[in-house]
Amino acid sequence: KNQVEQSPQSLIILEGKNCTLQCNYTVSPFSNLRWYKQDTGRGPVSLTIMTFSENTKSNGRYTATLDADTKQSSLHITASQLSDSASYICVVRGSQGNLIFGKGTKLSVKP
Amino acid sequence: EAGVAQSPRYKIIEKRQSVAFWCNPISGHATLYWYQQILGQGPKLLIQFQNNGVVDDSQLPKDRFSAERLKGVDSTLKIQPAKLEDSAVYLCASSFGLAGGRAEQYFGPGTRLTVT
Repeated sequence: KNQVEQSPQSLIILEGKNCTLQCNYTVSPFSNLRWYKQDTGRGPVSLTIMTFSENTKSNGRYTATLDADTKQSSLHITASQLSDSASYICVVRGSQGNLIFGKGTKLSVKP
Repeated sequence: EAGVAQSPRYKIIEKRQSVAFWCNPISGHATLYWYQQILGQGPKLLIQFQNNGVVDDSQLPKDRFSAERLKGVDSTLKIQPAKLEDSAVYLCASSFGLAGGRAEQYFGPGTRLTVT
């Protein structure tokens, strides 16, 4: 069964600290993997997209990694800011175009 | 460019009532999606349109949910009659490309539905 599991479910960190969010998937065949940021009351916004051959992709203070062999991805946030408080959703696209969403990690950045 | 527009932003109804949501995708986007996002969960695809045709509605509860995109632009999602478990945020998204592939989906702000 195609699944996307994210951990932790929630995370609280202090402003300025780094953090890493995890995503494990069982989707096969695999097309691509995206990380989305969803602010409270807003729709998800894409941060990064990676295909099978890409190991890392950066977008400012966000760096995503992908290990297609172990079917794991991570999102690393550097020097966190209060505005990083949001839910981060890992989404895997199968080769037939179907999207499988994780439940998200809720990140709270405290001053 | 303007983003995906949705209305209303919030709706509170009693169970067994009907409700309709509206979505205006980004201009030129052929593919439109409706998702249901229950609190604490990721979005779940309800229906996917390419232009005015349905590509995938396998997870749409067709006994109470219906959606249309008659002219291949705006879309409406209707629930009739609503149940308590329909309380969720309904997200609309659109993408330029055809269904599948790498085309990024752009999401609207969602409509938060509360069924009492």
